[in-house]
This record gives sequence, structure tokens and C-alpha cells, in this order.
Amino acid sequence: AQKVTQAQTEISVVEKEDVTLDCVYETRDTTYYLFWYKQPPSGELVFLIRRNSFDEQNEISGRYSWNFQKSTSSFNFTITASQVVDSAVYFCALSPSNSGYALNFGKGTSLLVTP
Amino acid sequence: DTGVSQDPRHKITKRGQNVTFRCDPISEHNRLYWYRQTLGQGPEFLTYFQNEAQLEKSRLLSDRFSAERPKGSFSTLEIQRTEQGDSAMYLCASSLEIGELFFGEGSRLTVL
Repeated sequence: AQKVTQAQTEISVVEKEDVTLDCVYETRDTTYYLFWYKQPPSGELVFLIRRNSFDEQNEISGRYSWNFQKSTSSFNFTITASQVVDSAVYFCALSPSNSGYALNFGKGTSLLVTP
Repeated sequence: DTGVSQDPRHKITKRGQNVTFRCDPISEHNRLYWYRQTLGQGPEFLTYFQNEAQLEKSRLLSDRFSAERPKGSFSTLEIQRTEQGDSAMYLCASSLEIGELFFGEGSRLTVL
């Protein structure tokens, strides 16, 4: 069975602060994919990143960075210098690599960035 | 607009009625997914099509639910004999790459 835990239900930060969203996962699969999705107030989920379990290299994309640590089964997401437009619900998700279609989503972390 | 489109955006129905949702994926995407999302929860996988073949169905998908994707283009999700517990946002997504899903805006179902 696969499970994704996002322990932080809500986070509130002031603009320009850095914020880290935690994601811990459980799986018996030896190969799998991890994902982050963003759901802004408008409601449409937006893909942010996919990470293969073989690739533990951290990734940076602009103000976004992801830290994948297999040893602790974590795939954390950091937003540097947060902006009001980053306000959204962020979901971490997991799927076995032999399918990739049945994504198991966490319950999400609601991020509020205030001016 | 070349994104995933869903129709209707909002459906209010009485318990026991049948409802059908339609999804038009991004035209070149061969994979199509249905998910369900309730308030405060992450999306839950319902079913998956590759072209016209339905390759996976979640245990969440009771026999009152049926999905089709004729000719590998648009898809429909029908719920028969709706129950109040079916009230949710029904999300359609399509993709070319594994996991890189493009979601529609969803169809919100309210069962009275």
C-alpha cells in the first residue's frame, strides 16, 4: 500500500519569507515516482515536478526547490522569498513506476502568503 | 483554449437521479484520468484510460459508476442512482508523460 502524509495542514507566512512544505511517504515498491502539484484558489491543479525514486538529486527551479531523501522517505518542497501568488494548496503525490497513473495524493498543505 | 475542459461545471441533482459528466482532454494526450476530490482532501483516483482502453479502476468506483472513452477522444463519467455521499468535485486530467497530469477545472456535483 502507498501512503503520503503532509503533516502541515496550514501554513501562513509573510511575503519574502522562505517556507518548506513537508511530505513523507510510505511504499513497498522499490521504484516509484513522487510529485508535487499546486492548487491555487481558482481550483485547477497544476503539475510542478516529478521525481523518479532512482534520482535523489535535489532540484531547483527558480524560487522552488525540492529535497528528496530516500533514507527518511521524504520529498520536501521549499519556496524561497515567497510571494502572494504562491498562496495555494500544495499536494504531494506518489505512484508506482510501473503504472504512473494511479497517483496517491496527500491531503495537502494550504499555504497563505500575506503582504 | 487547448486545455482540458469539463462539462458541466456544476450539477445539482436529487438523490436517486443519474448524472453524466463529460471531459475533453488535450487533443494529443492518449492518457485520461478521472479523480474525485472532497473538501479538505487530496484527489482520489477513480479510473484511467489509455486511448480507448480502460486500464484501471479504483475500488472507490462502485457499480453505480461507469466511465467510457469511445474512440480514445472525449470521456464520460456516469453516476447512477446518486447518493449524498457522491457529492464532490470530479476532476478529469490527461497526459502524455507519466504523472505529468493536466487537470481540468472540475465538475462539482451536489446531491440533495
